[in-house]
Amino acid sequence: EAGVAQSPRYKIIEKRQSVAFWCNPISGHATLYWYQQILGQGPKLLIQFQNNGVVDDSQLPKDRFSAERLKGVDSTLKIQPAKLEDSAVYLCASSVARWDIQYFGAGTRLSVL
Amino acid sequence: GIQVEQSPPDLILQEGANSTLRCNFSDSVNNLQWFHQNPWGQLINLFYIPSGTKQNGRLSATTVATERYSLLYISSSQTTDSGVYFCAVNTGANSKLTFGKGITLSVRP
Repeated sequence: EAGVAQSPRYKIIEKRQSVAFWCNPISGHATLYWYQQILGQGPKLLIQFQNNGVVDDSQLPKDRFSAERLKGVDSTLKIQPAKLEDSAVYLCASSVARWDIQYFGAGTRLSVL
Repeated sequence: GIQVEQSPPDLILQEGANSTLRCNFSDSVNNLQWFHQNPWGQLINLFYIPSGTKQNGRLSATTVATERYSLLYISSSQTTDSGVYFCAVNTGANSKLTFGKGITLSVRP
């Protein structure tokens, strides 16, 4: 069974530029999560989808971050414009249903210069 | 929200030694997962253990939900066990995982 796929693996941009990350969850998983992991800390949730609807986006900086999950499968996370403090690893996770075990992708490491 | 504390923050072992990693949480949990984050940043699922005891090879885990803690045991440690170990929980109110700060394990040959 294929795992959670994310791309790109690495991205370097300058502040005020925009960037987008892509996630393809495990087939059949209805719930999809985006987490942000800053160096030296544990991951923190940005947004959670159930199928193509948003369940929780309370920690998403909506003035610069946006996310969508069209058709309830793939998801994209966008940052526009990026700030230095957005440098982090962005992890996508999926689960069969909301309280089931979560499986994580390899992450996208973003450096904002 | 729920608080998750892991201890010790850092651990250095000689290859072959055993260790115990602890996770305390401040409220009732619906789910508890242990992860190993390898040097490339990948979060590897070790255990899904909201209660009880599970074993997988040299690793085992115990969660005592009524006392709000979980333990991860590593026996006969190997250099490949090095990395950061995270405990993460969710509650009945929200399925997002809340992570501890992690335990950095270094196993020396």
